[in-house]
Formats: sequence, C-alpha cells, structure tokens
Amino acid sequence: GENVEQHPSTLSVQEGDSAVIKCTYSDSASNYFPWYKQELGKRPQLIIDIRSNVGEKKDQRIAVTLNKTAKHFSLHITETQPEDSAVYFCAEGRAQKLVFGQGTRLTINP
Amino acid sequence: DSGVTQTPKHLITATGQRVTLRCSPRSGDLSVYWYQQSLDQGLQFLIQYYNGEERAKGNILERFSAQQFPDLHSELNLSSLELGDSALYFCASSGQGANTGELFFGEGSRLTVL
Repeated sequence: GENVEQHPSTLSVQEGDSAVIKCTYSDSASNYFPWYKQELGKRPQLIIDIRSNVGEKKDQRIAVTLNKTAKHFSLHITETQPEDSAVYFCAEGRAQKLVFGQGTRLTINP
Repeated sequence: DSGVTQTPKHLITATGQRVTLRCSPRSGDLSVYWYQQSLDQGLQFLIQYYNGEERAKGNILERFSAQQFPDLHSELNLSSLELGDSALYFCASSGQGANTGELFFGEGSRLTVL
C-alpha cells in the first residue's frame, strides 16, 4: 500500500537561502506527486505537482524533482522569503487515492 | 476561496456522542475526499467518493462512516466519539475524473470532544 515518508519534520533557513524537502514513497504504481502548502490555521493548497512521466518541473522559485527508480521526490524553494513559512506536505497519488506525508514545518528567519 | 464548503466550522461535543460533518464540493467536481488532521499531525486519508460511489478507503475507523449523495454533497458521520477524535476534518474535491489531480480543500470542521 501507499506510504510516504517526509524529511525533515522541521526546517529553519535564513531568508534568501534555499530549502529542500524530501519524500520517499513505496507504491511503484503511484503516478502523481503533488506538494501542498498549509499556512497556520488555513487549508492546504497545491503549490506544484509532477506526474511520473516527468523528471523535473519548475514554477518560479519552486521546483520539484522525481526519481522513479529510487522512489523519491523533492521540493526545492530558492530565494526563500518570510511568506514561505508554512507546513509543506508531499503526497503520492494513484487512481484517485492521495496519501500525504507527515509534513515539514518550514521557518524562514529574517 | 476554494469553492468547497464545509459545515459546521466548529463543533464541541461530549464523548460517546455522534456528529455529522457536511461537505459541498466545487461545482462540477465529482470526487470528494475526507482527511483528518490532529494537532501538529499530517493529513490522514479517511475515504474518497466518486459520483456517489466509494472509490478508496484509508485508515477510517469502524465508528466512522461517510456517503456521497446524488447532488454530490458528502457527509462524514462520527459516532461513539472519543477524546482522540478531536481533530480538524477536511473535505476536498477534485474534478480530474479517473486520474488523481489537484485537490481543493475546504476550510475544515474543527471537532472538539470533551
């Protein structure tokens, strides 16, 4: 079955530096890997996603990379800003089922 | 605003009681997902419906049940409530059809069991 491990659980970086969050999945049939951002007291919102036929996707300061062989995918945030502070969740999806990792609390220090 | 509506926003009840959480998906979305988020915890997948039929099941307790009605709204029923059931319950909808795609989350229903 699906199981997603996400690391680290907390991450603190200086404003302007890069942040990297990694996830490992177990179901080789999974074909959809999104990342969600949840600000304090708010609902999760999609920030970027990637499908299994693509190795990398970028959207401005955010990028996701996927290594199907190793079954892991990563979120990269460059030039971090205070508004990037939030909890980030990775997820793996297959056939409409979407299972989330435990989340990473990212803090951007000014 | 995601277009997904959840009611009630807050609910306080006692152990042993039963509650119903309601979700209206975005207009046109056929899939509805339910997730449980306990304090400082991740999003635990409970159950998913597509056009009225159960499609996937996660770690949903036997005390919990859900359904999706012909008008596509969904209800999550929680019975014999325990203190540990206190959590934020999210509903999400998706319009991707047979493929997994972006989920649009509601604001959540915060349940407190005393």
